[in-house]
Amino acid sequence: NAGVTQTPKFQVLKTGQSMTLQCAQDMNHNSMYWYRQDPGMGLRLIYYSASEGTTDKGEVPNGYNVSRLNKREFSLRLESAAPSQTSVYFCASSRSDEQYFGPGTRLTVT
Amino acid sequence: DAKTTQPTSMDCAEGRAANLPCNHSTISGNEYVYWYRQIHSQGPQYIIHGLKNNETNEMASLIITEDRKSSTLILPHATLRDTAVYYCIVRPYPILTGGGNKLTFGTGTQLKVEL
Repeated sequence: NAGVTQTPKFQVLKTGQSMTLQCAQDMNHNSMYWYRQDPGMGLRLIYYSASEGTTDKGEVPNGYNVSRLNKREFSLRLESAAPSQTSVYFCASSRSDEQYFGPGTRLTVT
Repeated sequence: DAKTTQPTSMDCAEGRAANLPCNHSTISGNEYVYWYRQIHSQGPQYIIHGLKNNETNEMASLIITEDRKSSTLILPHATLRDTAVYYCIVRPYPILTGGGNKLTFGTGTQLKVEL
């Protein structure tokens, strides 16, 4: 049981480049989430998917898009990366009350 | 969701109990208190949650005051591996919201456990 996995672990992008962060869970959870964490701050919700086939904006959705590919996978896309998107990105999943987090993707945009 | 207030940092000696306070004076009747922690550079980890009764599991105990305006997370015998940022979060129980189990993280309490 791998839990929540994220790829890649590290990424460096130039301003304007695009990329997709991948997240998968093997716990048969309905809900999945994408958060970002800037240095010295708590996590902020970017997008979430309450169930397969639905996605909704969180606190900081601008500059991002998401796809709930199936029940297991939830991807986050940066269409045109900006230095302000330099952050650590965490994916999470939940069935009801407890969220399980992945190890994070450390993204630097230069 | 109700706002929470936590001290920025706390120290604790290894083997002693760590008592982490949280203020949530605007909590409403259907909101639960959740605790998560984040060990350096890792994803947050769920610890415990409760509504109004005290709760205990293998990791910690949660004491909620009778008026529910504050709570304390207790790590009974802190170890060096408990050094982490601890987040107190207040939110409705997910089944009642129908909108996913969203969590709003503050800046938490940095707990440092020392020898």
